[in-house]
Amino acid sequence: SAVISQKPSRDICQRGTSLTIQCQVDSQVTMMFWYRQQPGQSLTLIATANQGSEATYESGFVIDKFPISRPNLTFSTLTVSNMSPEDSSIYLCSVEGVGRHYGYTFGSGTRLTVV
Amino acid sequence: KQEVTQIPAALSVPEGENLVLNCSFTDSAIYNLQWFRQDPGKGLTSLLLIQSSQREQTSGRLNASLDKSSGRSTLYIAASQPGDSATYLCAVPLNTDKLIFGTGTRLQVFP
Repeated sequence: SAVISQKPSRDICQRGTSLTIQCQVDSQVTMMFWYRQQPGQSLTLIATANQGSEATYESGFVIDKFPISRPNLTFSTLTVSNMSPEDSSIYLCSVEGVGRHYGYTFGSGTRLTVV
Repeated sequence: KQEVTQIPAALSVPEGENLVLNCSFTDSAIYNLQWFRQDPGKGLTSLLLIQSSQREQTSGRLNASLDKSSGRSTLYIAASQPGDSATYLCAVPLNTDKLIFGTGTRLQVFP
C-alpha cells in the first residue's frame, strides 16, 4: 500500500489566518481525498483532488474556504483559509489502492487549533 | 443514501477480554468494507479490508467478518491489551470512491 507523508502534524493558528497542509505520496495516484474530523466526530469528505483538473467539493465545502492544489500525481495541498475557531479539527489526506482491492491509506493527520 | 453506524459508541474492558465491535450499513451494494484504528489526535491506520466476496479476514488477534445481506460487519479482538486502546472505525466506499465512515467505537483496555 502507498505511504503518505502529511505535514504539519499539528498547528495552533490565529483566527483570520490561513494554513496550508501538504501530503506527499510515495507512488503515483489518480485521486487524493481530503477529510475533516471535527472534535468527537467521524470523518467527513471535503473534496477529491484530481491531477490536472479542479477539485470536486462535497456539499457544504467551497473552494474559497478550502482551496486545493494537485500539481502532480504524488502531491497535494489543502489550505484552510480565513480560519475561525470552528475550523479546529483534524485534517487528513487519503489515497485509494490500485484497482479498488487494496483499500484506502491515510496520512498521519494535521491537528489544527484556531484561537 | 448509505449510512454506517457502529455500536457500542464506547467500551471499557479489563485486559485479556475478547471483544466484538459492530458495524452496520444500510445499502448492501458495497464492494468492500475497511476497518481502521485511530489513536487520539492522529491519522487512521488500516487494520483489515474485506472484499464483498469474502466472509472474513484475519490479522493476528483481529478477525473481521462481513455479512452483506444483513448489512453487518463485526471486528473481533482476541485477548485485548492496553495497547489496543483507540477508536475503531469502519468504512464503506460509494461508487464515486468516497468513503462513508461509521460513527466509531472508542475502546479503552485497562490493565
